[in-house]
Amino acid sequence: DAGVTQSPTHLIKTRGQQVTLRCSPKSGHDTVSWYQQALGQGPQFIFQYYEEEERQRGNFPDRFSGHQFPNYSSELNVNALLLGDSALYLCASSSTPNTEAFFGQGTRLTVV
Amino acid sequence: GIQVEQSPPDLILQEGANSTLRCNFSDSVNNLQWFHQNPWGQLINLFYIPSGTKQNGRLSATTVATERYSLLYISSSQTTDSGVYFCAAHYGGSQGNLIFGKGTKLSVKP
Repeated sequence: DAGVTQSPTHLIKTRGQQVTLRCSPKSGHDTVSWYQQALGQGPQFIFQYYEEEERQRGNFPDRFSGHQFPNYSSELNVNALLLGDSALYLCASSSTPNTEAFFGQGTRLTVV
Repeated sequence: GIQVEQSPPDLILQEGANSTLRCNFSDSVNNLQWFHQNPWGQLINLFYIPSGTKQNGRLSATTVATERYSLLYISSSQTTDSGVYFCAAHYGGSQGNLIFGKGTKLSVKP
């Protein structure tokens, strides 16, 4: 049984560019959440998708957007990248919005 | 706002020692999870424990929801236990975002 998978694992982008990160949830899960983890900090909630809609959003600007597909996989898009967007981006899936969450290995984004 | 606080922030142990990590939360929680983050960044699920006590090998966890804290016990620590331990709480309603603490960085020396 495959767990949560994310791609790519590492990414280097230039300030001002746009980036798309991808996540496939654990088998049987239909809820996907995204988190940003800065160095030395705990993960911060970005948003959650359920039934192809954004259900909840954390304190992140509109430059951060997402999508969930009919197969429950999800994308995180970040526009107009800033140096401060450099972080580990983690995807989590769960069987419903408020049950045990399982995380992928993350995508490490570096903005130069 | 809702707070999740972990202590201690750093912990250094000799191999074989026991330890207790603490997580305090500022409001009633629906669910609480403990994770171990490995050096490559992956969060490994340890416990899903809204209340009560659970054990898994050398690790056990206890959540006392009425007093708003959870404890993670590591016995007979091994060098492979090194890493950062996070607790995270689900609060209220049907929405499911996790609020994380800042973590406890554990270093186990041989």
